[in-house]
Amino acid sequence: AQTVTQSQPEMSVQEAETVTLSCTYDTSESNYYLFWYKQPPSRQMILVIRQEAYKQQNATENRFSVNFQKAAKSFSLKISDSQLGDTAMYFCAFMKDNAGNMLTFGGGTRLMVKP
Amino acid sequence: ETGVTQSPTHLIKTRGQQVTLRCSSQSGHNTVSWYQQALGQGPQFIFQYYREEENGRGNFPPRFSGLQFPNYSSELNVNALELDDSALYLCASSLGGRARDYEQYFGPGTRLTVT
Repeated sequence: AQTVTQSQPEMSVQEAETVTLSCTYDTSESNYYLFWYKQPPSRQMILVIRQEAYKQQNATENRFSVNFQKAAKSFSLKISDSQLGDTAMYFCAFMKDNAGNMLTFGGGTRLMVKP
Repeated sequence: ETGVTQSPTHLIKTRGQQVTLRCSSQSGHNTVSWYQQALGQGPQFIFQYYREEENGRGNFPPRFSGLQFPNYSSELNVNALELDDSALYLCASSLGGRARDYEQYFGPGTRLTVT
């Protein structure tokens, strides 16, 4: 079974600064996918960024980028130029390849962006 | 916002009762997954339906059951409610049941309170 661990229950950052959220995972699979989801107070979960494990290049989506270290089983999210709208719960999630598309989530990190 | 809707928004039930939660998938999506999110935790996978057939199940007892209809809308049924069933229930739809069609679009959730 896969496990996903987010070791930072809460973080805060000043508007316009950069913050990094940590995620580690444990799996014996060689092919898989990793995701960061954002859940704002409105509750609707939104995909922020995804990474295919077979790709060595780190994914980037505008102000969001990841640092994927496959050997270390680490998948951190960097948010640059933080905005007030980035305030939310952030969940790291894992999905096996060739096994439907069931997500295994970490416990989440609550991010507060301060003006 | 995604095109996934859920009803009702909130629900209060008594221990031992039965409840049905509903989900309408994003147009064109034939796969729906259900997740339970206890307060302060990450979502946990309950089960998934692909073209009206159960396509995977998490570690939940049989009193959690589901249906997917020909129009790909879905229901989650929980019998013999327990206090620990109090949670936010999320559904997510995706284009297919394989990992390559992995992007899942989440609904806003149904908040179930069991007293």
